[in-house]
Amino acid sequence: DAGVIQSPRHEVTEMGQEVTLRCKPISGHNSLFWYRQTMMRGLELLIYFNNNVPIDDSGMPEDRFSAKMPNASFSTLKIQPSEPRDSAVYFCASSFGTEITYNEQFFGPGTRLTVL
Amino acid sequence: GNSVTQMEGPVTLSEEAFLTINCTYTATGYPSLFWYVQYPGEGLQLLLKATKADDKGSNKGFEATYRKETTSFHLEKGSVQVSDSAVYFCALYVFGNEKLTFGTGTRLTIIP
Repeated sequence: DAGVIQSPRHEVTEMGQEVTLRCKPISGHNSLFWYRQTMMRGLELLIYFNNNVPIDDSGMPEDRFSAKMPNASFSTLKIQPSEPRDSAVYFCASSFGTEITYNEQFFGPGTRLTVL
Repeated sequence: GNSVTQMEGPVTLSEEAFLTINCTYTATGYPSLFWYVQYPGEGLQLLLKATKADDKGSNKGFEATYRKETTSFHLEKGSVQVSDSAVYFCALYVFGNEKLTFGTGTRLTIIP
């Protein structure tokens, strides 16, 4: 299996521009998570989906952030408009989730976003 | 709510030294506990886990024991290698909630 795939790996953009990050989860996984990692705030969960439905988006910082999962094999995280404080590494993770037991989350390699 | 407190880093050790990274937690339910590792330029990956009190998780020479009485899950390794240099995250999971709660991470650097 190729693992969780994220694109792009690096993104440099200017303040005010729209940024779209993409994630392909592991085939067969039904839960998908978006995280943000910064030096100041550590690893933060932004949103997660189960069976393509957003379950908890309480970590999304503000309305400039939106996430979609149109099907089981693809998700996007969009920032519009972007700001310098959005600079971070964004991780996508997937798992085969049930409510009964914990199932390991597999992380992608991350997208390093720099907003100038 | 749920939270994880980790030993602040960075931690720098010489090769073959003994390693301990402290982790304590608070949880509203009965959690499962994990250590994840992040190597430079990569995403996190599960290192070890323990799902009930007194369980010991182990992998790659690392160990951690689930201590309910002290609400702790300290990571240990008897002899570290340069290849162990990474950021280590303690995390917990409570039944009924898909979310993992992570600690802030501890950066470990091993010097030859």
